[in-house]
Amino acid sequence: DAGITQSPRHKVTETGTPVTLRCHQTENHRYMYWYRQDPGHGLRLIHYSYGVKDTDKGEVSDGYSVSRSKTEDFLLTLESATSSQTSVYFCAISEGGTGMNTEAFFGQGTRLTVV
Amino acid sequence: AQKITQTQPGMFVQEKEAVTLDCTYDTSDPSYGLFWYKQPSSGEMIFLIYQGSYDQQNATEGRYSLNFQKARKSANLVISASQLGDSAMYFCAMRGAGYGGATNKLIFGTGTLLAVQP
Repeated sequence: DAGITQSPRHKVTETGTPVTLRCHQTENHRYMYWYRQDPGHGLRLIHYSYGVKDTDKGEVSDGYSVSRSKTEDFLLTLESATSSQTSVYFCAISEGGTGMNTEAFFGQGTRLTVV
Repeated sequence: AQKITQTQPGMFVQEKEAVTLDCTYDTSDPSYGLFWYKQPSSGEMIFLIYQGSYDQQNATEGRYSLNFQKARKSANLVISASQLGDSAMYFCAMRGAGYGGATNKLIFGTGTLLAVQP
């Protein structure tokens, strides 16, 4: 199994509070991604990183920020949590390019509930 | 902009029969990769199969094959001899080529929920 860990696995937080989710990898993969999964919407990309301190927005980035100060860690921060951000969050890692063995590996997911 | 479309929210198939899950995509990248993932009810994401845009042959992995029609921009997943354990959500995904930033954005479709009936 690819070495990718998300923490926490479950969290309940109150509206308006900041929340940070952590993704940690031991594979030295260049690319890291944060997704949210909601019924009927599949996996939607929030932000991704293509190197230390190199990040870009995905399709649903409003209300989220990210940081990557080390290759192995990619943090997702909800600046002021809202009920619409209640979701399951997945982190993924991959090598670049489009050849074989470039599939993304996923963490176990974090279930976040904003009350 | 890149886009993945899965038009089948849910599918039923009888055990031991074959099933095709549809996926169409849109991209302006000349080179890209297409992926299928399985998500069982336990929630983990399992990689199934990969197809490169320049691959001449359709990808196969055991009971999974990818029916790649580049001109139609489709990448359908075919599962042969369905088993009860194939019941899960299936996602199609795409990523552009190269080692730059934006070209490696990995996007997913909305998924197809497959139910295999005994």
